[in-house]
Amino acid sequence: AQKITQTQPGMFVQEKEAVTLDCTYDTSDPSYGLFWYKQPSSGEMIFLIYQGSYDQQNATEGRYSLNFQKARKSANLVISASQLGDSAMYFCAMREENTGNQFYFGTGTSLTVIP
Amino acid sequence: DSGVTQTPKHLITATGQRVTLRCSPRSGDLSVYWYQQSLDQGLQFLIQYYNGEERAKGNILERFSAQQFPDLHSELNLSSLELGDSALYFCASSVGGYRDGYGYTFGSGTRLTVV
Repeated sequence: AQKITQTQPGMFVQEKEAVTLDCTYDTSDPSYGLFWYKQPSSGEMIFLIYQGSYDQQNATEGRYSLNFQKARKSANLVISASQLGDSAMYFCAMREENTGNQFYFGTGTSLTVIP
Repeated sequence: DSGVTQTPKHLITATGQRVTLRCSPRSGDLSVYWYQQSLDQGLQFLIQYYNGEERAKGNILERFSAQQFPDLHSELNLSSLELGDSALYFCASSVGGYRDGYGYTFGSGTRLTVV
């Protein structure tokens, strides 16, 4: 079974609008972390936001927020007030406490911001 | 600049050849991770080193090997290269080999093209 599922291969959003990128995960480990990374066309991977499995509040970092629904095993990324520079690939990832230190990545969502 | 340095940025080589990719982790980080990103496989974890010792192994082929040196830089050796090895190879580093909650710091990657 896939550890991380991103069902939206591509998304479009109008500049200044909000957009939600979906991510569901699968784990039986009670302790885990969920991450979002941005990969622009230049190729580098940029860390955006983190949510721990025991965190009560949804994580926020500037225009990024993580809509964490533990019972549904979803960790959607919300980008508010989209900017042209937000056009990139976005990867959801998970790290489990008990299975070492590797990250499991989803297949990514390509976001295009339209002027 | 993320602080993780990967060289070279681009590499073009022929099938059957051997190449070495180099990674210098962010100052103070003891763990180095190698990932392969290809169009069909997505981001695949290859291997992790912590303070010079192999800590975790993922989907790394037998033709590939890695090591981490006393100065903590790491090298990924790819031999008997095949066309399918063409990919973007990322190095990432983190402070510890444990869940630190803030993800990895990625390098900018080495794009390997096998012709």
